[in-house]
Amino acid sequence: GQSLEQPSEVTAVEGAIVQINCTYQTSGFYGLSWYQQHDGGAPTFLSYNALDGLEETGRFSSFLSRSDSYGYLLLQELQMKDSASYFCAVRSGGGQNFVFGPGTRLSVLP
Amino acid sequence: EPEVTQTPSHQVTQMGQEVILRCVPISNHLYFYWYRQILGQKVEFLVSFYNNEISEKSEIFDDQFSVERPDGSNFTLKIRSTKLEDSAMYFCASSARDTMTNSPLHFGNGTRLTVT
Repeated sequence: GQSLEQPSEVTAVEGAIVQINCTYQTSGFYGLSWYQQHDGGAPTFLSYNALDGLEETGRFSSFLSRSDSYGYLLLQELQMKDSASYFCAVRSGGGQNFVFGPGTRLSVLP
Repeated sequence: EPEVTQTPSHQVTQMGQEVILRCVPISNHLYFYWYRQILGQKVEFLVSFYNNEISEKSEIFDDQFSVERPDGSNFTLKIRSTKLEDSAMYFCASSARDTMTNSPLHFGNGTRLTVT
């Protein structure tokens, strides 16, 4: 089966940099995705890593190390609007669905 | 930008009643999904649907659940006899291609189901 671990909460101040880690165990690996979810809203796609290394998209970057079964989401120049829950997700082995991690609630303080 | 739409946004029903949650996926997408999220918890997979049939389902998706694509646009989730523990936010999602490629899930805004 698949399992993912993330810290439950992270707090940072505006303008800071924060890293949200994700470790996973999966039978077969087809990439690590990150989704953002604001309270009461739908998850929205942020990034996807299939290969080792860093992918950068504006203020957000995502990193993957397949040998360590580990990835992280890096948020730079934090803004209040970044306060949300962040989920890592892996595709289920051989299946069509994504398995989501427990989520990390990020609080950005002024 | 195209989006996934879900109706209703809120649904209150009594235990034992049937409910149908409706979704209109993005029009050129081929893969459709239902996920649910109990308040404050993670997003859980229920079922995926491709080419007019279920491609995968989770343990949660028991005989009380069914999905249907009755026409070219709608995708529905039916719960035949609701239980208190079915209370959750139900998200519909679609993707353009299968999840082996970088084809992200596009989620609707969800239907909050409350079973009393």
